[in-house]
Amino acid sequence: DAGVTQSPTHLIKTRGQQVTLRCSPKSGHDTVSWYQQALGQGPQFIFQYYEEEERQRGNFPDRFSGHQFPNYSSELNVNALLLGDSALYLCASSLEQGRGTEAFFGQGTRLTVV
Amino acid sequence: RKEVEQDPGPFNVPEGATVAFNCTYSNSASQSFFWYRQDCRKEPKLLMSVYSSGNEDGRFTAQLNRASQYISLLIRDSKLSDSATYLCVVIYYSGNTGKLIFGQGTTLQVKP
Repeated sequence: DAGVTQSPTHLIKTRGQQVTLRCSPKSGHDTVSWYQQALGQGPQFIFQYYEEEERQRGNFPDRFSGHQFPNYSSELNVNALLLGDSALYLCASSLEQGRGTEAFFGQGTRLTVV
Repeated sequence: RKEVEQDPGPFNVPEGATVAFNCTYSNSASQSFFWYRQDCRKEPKLLMSVYSSGNEDGRFTAQLNRASQYISLLIRDSKLSDSATYLCVVIYYSGNTGKLIFGQGTTLQVKP
């Protein structure tokens, strides 16, 4: 059973560029949440997707957007990259919008903005 | 004030020591509580859930105090393999959706 998979694992972008990160949830899971983890900090909630809609959003600007596909996989898009966007981006999958069920994380995408 | 706050680390302890981590949360409407473990440059993984009655899993004991909005994790007889960052996690529900809110993490280094 494949767990949560993310791609790419590492990425280097230039300030001002746009980036798309991808996530495939654990088999049987229907909810995908995205987190940003800066060095030395805990993961910060970006948003959650369920039934192809954004259901909840954290305190992130509109430059951060996402999408969920009918097969439950998801993309995170970041426009106009800033140096401060450099972080580990984690995708977590769960069931039924995360109500009391364990969330499983992918290995993350490490984004470096130069 | 952060929604979930943890003890600042790092904690450096010898093998065999007992160590305790604390965590406070600000939203009294929080409904589910967990401890996750994150190894260096890896993804977080669920360590254990936390219940009001307290729960134990081998050398690990987790406790929740809803009145004080406080969560704890106790590790007895520390092993070298316990070295990691421990993340306190609270689930907030808004309507039907739950989102995990993480503390900043506390780093534990167990020395021989």
